[in-house]
Amino acid sequence: GQNIDQPTEMTATEGAIVQINCTYQTSGFNGLFWYQQHAGEAPTFLSYNVLDGLEEKGRFSSFLSRSKGYSYLLLKELQMKDSASYLCAVKGSGNQFYFGTGTSLTVIP
Amino acid sequence: GAVVSQHPSRVICKSGTSVKIECRSLDFQATTMFWYRQFPKQSLMLMATSNEGSKATYEQGVEKDKFLINHASLTLSTLTVTSAHPEDSSFYICSARGGLSEAFFGQGTRLTVV
Repeated sequence: GQNIDQPTEMTATEGAIVQINCTYQTSGFNGLFWYQQHAGEAPTFLSYNVLDGLEEKGRFSSFLSRSKGYSYLLLKELQMKDSASYLCAVKGSGNQFYFGTGTSLTVIP
Repeated sequence: GAVVSQHPSRVICKSGTSVKIECRSLDFQATTMFWYRQFPKQSLMLMATSNEGSKATYEQGVEKDKFLINHASLTLSTLTVTSAHPEDSSFYICSARGGLSEAFFGQGTRLTVV
């Protein structure tokens, strides 16, 4: 089976930095993705890692360690609009996407 | 990024009827489409993967006779919820993947069965 774990909820202050962790155990691995989802809307793509290391994209960075089955999403200079759910997804050997439980991030003033 | 259009965005149907949801890739050819279901405050659950011209592969626990998936062309996949019941009420989202690594999501369909 596929097992992808994230914290359920996190709270952070506007302007701060927050790190959302994701651990995974899957039967295949063809990449790890992070998506942002606002309530009632479809997820939007944030980042993609297939090799170990850090990928930086503006205020968002994502890290991957395949040997540890671990990734994190780093959000810098938090803004109120960053309040959303953040989904970690693993692309399996059959190119399916399996999603974690999602982390609901609340940014407070 | 690529655009995936899902229709309808909201549908209310009576218990026992069938509902069809369409997912179209507008500016790329989607060799693979995925269908997900999402209950309130829960993550996306993969229901099935469909490749153009072949039968869909369903995840464990998903009834293939209840959730009919057709991927007749490289730009269109449909999900039909047959004999819908109130417990089928959920947010259904499709995603499509062409030659790129990432998948692009449709807007989602909010299904309410009354």
